[in-house]
Amino acid sequence: GESVGLHLPTLSVQEGDNSIINCAYSNSASDYFIWYKQESGKGPQFIIDIRSNMDKRQGQRVTVLLNKTVKHLSLQIAATQPGDSAVYFCAEIAGNTPLVFGKGTRLSVIA
Amino acid sequence: DAGVIQSPRHEVTEMGQEVTLRCKPISGHNSLFWYRQTMMRGLELLIYFNNNVPIDDSGMPEDRFSAKMPNASFSTLKIQPSEPRDSAVYFCASSLWVSEQFFGPGTRLTVL
Repeated sequence: GESVGLHLPTLSVQEGDNSIINCAYSNSASDYFIWYKQESGKGPQFIIDIRSNMDKRQGQRVTVLLNKTVKHLSLQIAATQPGDSAVYFCAEIAGNTPLVFGKGTRLSVIA
Repeated sequence: DAGVIQSPRHEVTEMGQEVTLRCKPISGHNSLFWYRQTMMRGLELLIYFNNNVPIDDSGMPEDRFSAKMPNASFSTLKIQPSEPRDSAVYFCASSLWVSEQFFGPGTRLTVL
C-alpha cells in the first residue's frame, strides 16, 4: 500500500548509520504516542510507544524521545539496515479519542 | 492468531458498481477501525466501532460509504455506487481499546 504523499518527507541513510525520524504534534492534551512502520504493500505495523509521563523509551535498536515542551517526538534507529526502509508514521492519542496519524516520513537505506 | 484478515486483497470494478470490503478483527479486540490510504491524502480514518457500535463516522466521505459491524468478528465497508476517486487502499485495524492498533494487509480498490 503506497503511503507516499506528493510531499512526503524523505530521509536517506547509509546502511549501518543511525537514523533519526522526527515528528511534530499539535495537541498538547495527547498522552500516548506510537510509531508505526509501513513497508510497501503492507499495513502499518507497531514499532514502539511512549506515554506522556516519559521522555524516553528504548526497544530493540529503536529509541523514542518525547519533548512535550516543544511537542516533538523522534524515532531513532540504530545501525540502520536495508530492512528498515519503509514509511514511518507517528500517531498520537488524547484521552478516549482514536489515533491521529501524521503524514509519514519515508526512510530509504542506501546499501 | 492470524491477525486482522481483510478480503478481497484486490478489487477492480467499474464506476457505478457496488463494492463490499470485509474485515475480520483479531479475536478479543473490541475496537475496529476502517482507514483509507491514498497518495494525496495519506492515511485517513473513516469510521470506528467500539463493541460493535459505530462511535465516530465523521471521516466517511459521502453517503455512498457505509459500514456495519453485525458482530464482534466481522465488519464490512460498502461503497455504492463506486467512483474512480474512491480508488485507494482500504485498511481495517483492530485493538483492545483506542491504543495500539493492529492493521490488516489492506484491500487495494481500483474503480475504472
